[in-house]
Amino acid sequence: KQEVTQIPAALSVPEGENLVLNCSFTDSAIYNLQWFRQDPGKGLTSLLLIQSSQREQTSGRLNASLDKSSGRSTLYIAASQPGDSATYLCAVRGVETSGSRLTFGEGTQLTVNP
Amino acid sequence: KAGVTQTPRYLIKTRGQQVTLSCSPISGHRSVSWYQQTPGQGLQFLFEYFSETQRNKGNFPGRFSGRQFSNSRSEMNVSTLELGDSALYLCASSSGLRRTIYFGEGSWLTVV
Repeated sequence: KQEVTQIPAALSVPEGENLVLNCSFTDSAIYNLQWFRQDPGKGLTSLLLIQSSQREQTSGRLNASLDKSSGRSTLYIAASQPGDSATYLCAVRGVETSGSRLTFGEGTQLTVNP
Repeated sequence: KAGVTQTPRYLIKTRGQQVTLSCSPISGHRSVSWYQQTPGQGLQFLFEYFSETQRNKGNFPGRFSGRQFSNSRSEMNVSTLELGDSALYLCASSSGLRRTIYFGEGSWLTVV
């Protein structure tokens, strides 16, 4: 059974700092991994999708890396801003379940202080 | 292009009642999934529908059911509501196995 873990559970940083969020998963048989952002009381916003054959994906100040063999992914946020404050979730789409079923981590709650 | 649309956004039900939530996927997306989010359990997969057929099912009791229509719109139903069913219910759609999954804003259900 796939399990996804995110570390740290919460993170508070001053504005402008570069930061790294970590995600690990137990079963490397995945199609892809997706990073999401969730603001309080809202749905999930997709940030980056990284396929199992890829090593990294970039979008603006965000960079996600994937090491499938070791079951790890990182989300790098450059020059953080107060508007980046949210909960960040990683989710994997496993081969064994087929379809579009995602297994989520518990999330990292990020606070960027002005 | 419109995103995933969920209705209603907020609702309050009494224990024992039933509820139906609706989801309209992004145009062209044939896969629709449902998730339950609670503070204690996080995000848990309920079920997935593809071309009107249930393709995947999570570990929830039979009180939770769903269906998908020919236009890919989906509904989920919860019967005999319990206090523990209070949660944010999220719908997601996708156009393929290796494609991005998009989520709606969710339906907040409170059971009193």
